[in-house]
Amino acid sequence: AQKITQTQPGMFVQEKEAVTLDCTYDTSDQSYGLFWYKQPSSGEMIFLIYQGSYDEQNATEGRYSLNFQKARKSANLVISASQLGDSAMYFCAMREAMEYGNKLVFGAGTILRVKS
Amino acid sequence: NAGVTQTPKFRVLKTGQSMTLLCAQDMNHEYMYWYRQDPGMGLRLIHYSVGEGTTAKGEVPDGYNVSRLKKQNFLLGLESAAPSQTSVYFCASSYSIRGEETYEQYFGPGTRLTVT
Repeated sequence: AQKITQTQPGMFVQEKEAVTLDCTYDTSDQSYGLFWYKQPSSGEMIFLIYQGSYDEQNATEGRYSLNFQKARKSANLVISASQLGDSAMYFCAMREAMEYGNKLVFGAGTILRVKS
Repeated sequence: NAGVTQTPKFRVLKTGQSMTLLCAQDMNHEYMYWYRQDPGMGLRLIHYSVGEGTTAKGEVPDGYNVSRLKKQNFLLGLESAAPSQTSVYFCASSYSIRGEETYEQYFGPGTRLTVT
């Protein structure tokens, strides 16, 4: 079974600074995908970024980048130039193939607070 | 497009009562999922469906039943609610290209259920 570990229950960052949220994963699959989702206080799940296991380049989406280190089995999220609106819970997740379809296996999450 | 919608947004049940959560998507997606989110944990898969008329169990299916009579709707039922089912429930959907499921799951806004 796959497992996602997020070791930082909570993080603080100063507005306009960069922050890294840690994620390590455990899988024996050769093909897999890693995601980051943002959950603001309103509760919805917002997709941020995706990295496939065969992608050689780190994924980037605007201010979000995924620092993918396959040998270390880590997929850290980097948020550059933090904004107050980035305050939220952040989940790392891995796509796990089932007999039909895929499910997402989530970590426990990291709460990020951006200070002004 | 409304995307993925969930009804109701909030509900309080007494132990032993039954209810049905409705998930609807207007994106013609084949795959639909029900997850639950408990405090301090990421989302966990309850049941899923790979097409109209087909359903399968996820990792925490006990106490729940599902049906997918129409492609756009995925219903989650609690026959006899228990306090352990107090949670936030998320529905998600995804689609396939040339028979292969794409990686992104689109989430609904969630239903907050309390069982007293």
